[in-house]
Amino acid sequence: DAGITQSPRYKITETGRQVTLMCHQTWSHSYMFWYRQDLGHGLRLIYYSAAADITDKGEVPDGYVVSRSKTENFPLTLESATRSQTSVYFCASSPYPGASYEQYFGPGTRLTVT
Amino acid sequence: SQQGEEDPQALSIQEGENATMNCSYKTSINNLQWYRQNSGRGLVHLILIRSNEREKHSGRLRVTLDTSKKSSSLLITASRAADTASYFCATDARYGGSQGNLIFGKGTKLSVKP
Repeated sequence: DAGITQSPRYKITETGRQVTLMCHQTWSHSYMFWYRQDLGHGLRLIYYSAAADITDKGEVPDGYVVSRSKTENFPLTLESATRSQTSVYFCASSPYPGASYEQYFGPGTRLTVT
Repeated sequence: SQQGEEDPQALSIQEGENATMNCSYKTSINNLQWYRQNSGRGLVHLILIRSNEREKHSGRLRVTLDTSKKSSSLLITASRAADTASYFCATDARYGGSQGNLIFGKGTKLSVKP
């Protein structure tokens, strides 16, 4: 299906484990973003990417790693999960830079770290 | 770092009434966007208004922007139960880790009762 998808939709993991959240878009958008959404904080930008092999930190990058070997995929890895990383994670894409155009969001991944 | 903040945090109205949500921000912007989030879903873009625009319409939505007061409002006319959702404003970040990207407010939770 066309659009932007995330997997898994729900994930429970233990403290210290590595977790990878997947994001795939079919529009060939240059820009992709990872956000986390927590009660009381709204959405906060973790990492973003302007193109394949170009990534940069957002507001809250600590504890996360991203890669973008292909335009359509932008996986987010928690190298050693902590309870504070329990959150809902959203991936988004856009054909233009972050604030100048609308962003298209995936359905989200609800991650619980026990 | 919070750029936009929505007011009120929660709003409950009857079907057919108008709903008004406000967004205030701290630093000058190039544009401001409004998004809707239904429960358990990703965000959906509603309207983008640029700093040189004062008002924009899209169907039952009307957005105003007052750059002198650093504020924006989203008006939903003749609300429907299907409008029940959280509404977020997002502005472009001028500084910090999210520079050049969107910064989201914490949202207004709108409940429209049939």
